[in-house]
Amino acid sequence: GQNIDQPTEMTATEGAIVQINCTYQTSGFNGLFWYQQHAGEAPTFLSYNVLDGLEEKGRFSSFLSRSKGYSYLLLKELQMKDSASYLCAVRDHDYKLSFGAGTTVTVRA
Amino acid sequence: DTGVSQDPRHKITKRGQNVTFRCDPISEHNRLYWYRQTLGQGPEFLTYFQNEAQLEKSRLLSDRFSAERPKGSFSTLEIQRTEQGDSAMYLCASSLLTSGMGTDTQYFGPGTRLTVL
Repeated sequence: GQNIDQPTEMTATEGAIVQINCTYQTSGFNGLFWYQQHAGEAPTFLSYNVLDGLEEKGRFSSFLSRSKGYSYLLLKELQMKDSASYLCAVRDHDYKLSFGAGTTVTVRA
Repeated sequence: DTGVSQDPRHKITKRGQNVTFRCDPISEHNRLYWYRQTLGQGPEFLTYFQNEAQLEKSRLLSDRFSAERPKGSFSTLEIQRTEQGDSAMYLCASSLLTSGMGTDTQYFGPGTRLTVL
């Protein structure tokens, strides 16, 4: 099975940077995904890591260390619209996703 | 809109009734997944299909739940004799699984919110 941990809540100021950590213990690893989910809406894909290192996509970056079972999502130049839940998900060798409980990020003016 | 669609978006039912949800995946996607999400939690895997074949069912999926994907396109999830504990958001996702390279990213539909009274 999969055990995925991420903080429950984080608060940051508009324009700032926030880093959301995710640790995992898995019986099989085939990639790590980050999704954004606004209240009442579907999760939307943000980033994907399968090899160690940093992947950058605009204001969002994601890092993976497979040996440490660790990932983080970095949100830069925060905007009010970034207020949402951020889900860390680990994919197994059958391509199924196991999700963490999500981190609710609140951006304040 | 060429994304994943689900119908209905909301369903309120009484305990003991049967309900059926539909998911239309992104065209050409060969994999379709069903997840359940409760408040404050991440989605939990229920079952998935590759084309029309159902490949795995989670232990969360009791005998009251059944899913089909008869022609390898849309899928239905039926819950019989609903219980209050079935109240949740039911999410569908689809992906294109290719051999070798490829991210096989799952794209989610808007979900069906089920309330069992």
